[in-house]
Amino acid sequence: AQSVTQLDSQVPVFEEAPVELRCNYSSSVSVYLFWYVQYPNQGLQLLLKYLSGSTLVKGINGFEAEFNKSQTSFHLRKPSVHISDTAEYFCAVSDLKAAGNKLTFGGGTRVLVKP
Amino acid sequence: KAGVTQTPRYLIKTRGQQVTLSCSPISGHRSVSWYQQTPGQGLQFLFEYFSETQRNKGNFPGRFSGRQFSNSRSEMNVSTLELGDSALYLCASSVAANTGELFFGEGSRLTVL
Repeated sequence: AQSVTQLDSQVPVFEEAPVELRCNYSSSVSVYLFWYVQYPNQGLQLLLKYLSGSTLVKGINGFEAEFNKSQTSFHLRKPSVHISDTAEYFCAVSDLKAAGNKLTFGGGTRVLVKP
Repeated sequence: KAGVTQTPRYLIKTRGQQVTLSCSPISGHRSVSWYQQTPGQGLQFLFEYFSETQRNKGNFPGRFSGRQFSNSRSEMNVSTLELGDSALYLCASSVAANTGELFFGEGSRLTVL
């Protein structure tokens, strides 16, 4: 079984400032890692994913995340946020060897970008 | 390319009724998953279908069921609705197995009175 903890439920940040969203996971098996974003009244959209290889992963809209196996973390960062980045962000994992696309999500982090 | 389409977008039911939600995946996608999203429990996996077969199932009671048709379209059904079933139900499709790269619809918001 897996679990995902997003350490911050809300993160207020000023426009053009950097932001980091923290994600820690627990799993007895190897996992794939993901960050999804949900804009108001919309479904989720994949920001980036870590399957293997380089631990620094770049995604869409200027976001990046770093996989740290020893700390079982996958923190998301953006060096300069825009008003349009106001949304809820979800970290998720899936079992690397399991058949199917079952994701376990964290509780989400609401990012509010202030002008 | 059309995205994942869910219908209806909003619906209101009363306790004890049943509801059927529909999902049309992106063309060519054979995997369809369903998630329940609530403020208290967050995003929880319901089930996944691939080529008309249920491949994974979450920890939900038997009142929650689903199916997938030969054209990959999927439906989920909730019988004997309870107040706690009020939620946003999200459908997601994927082109292949075990990529985790899901494409989500905008959801069906169910309110149970």
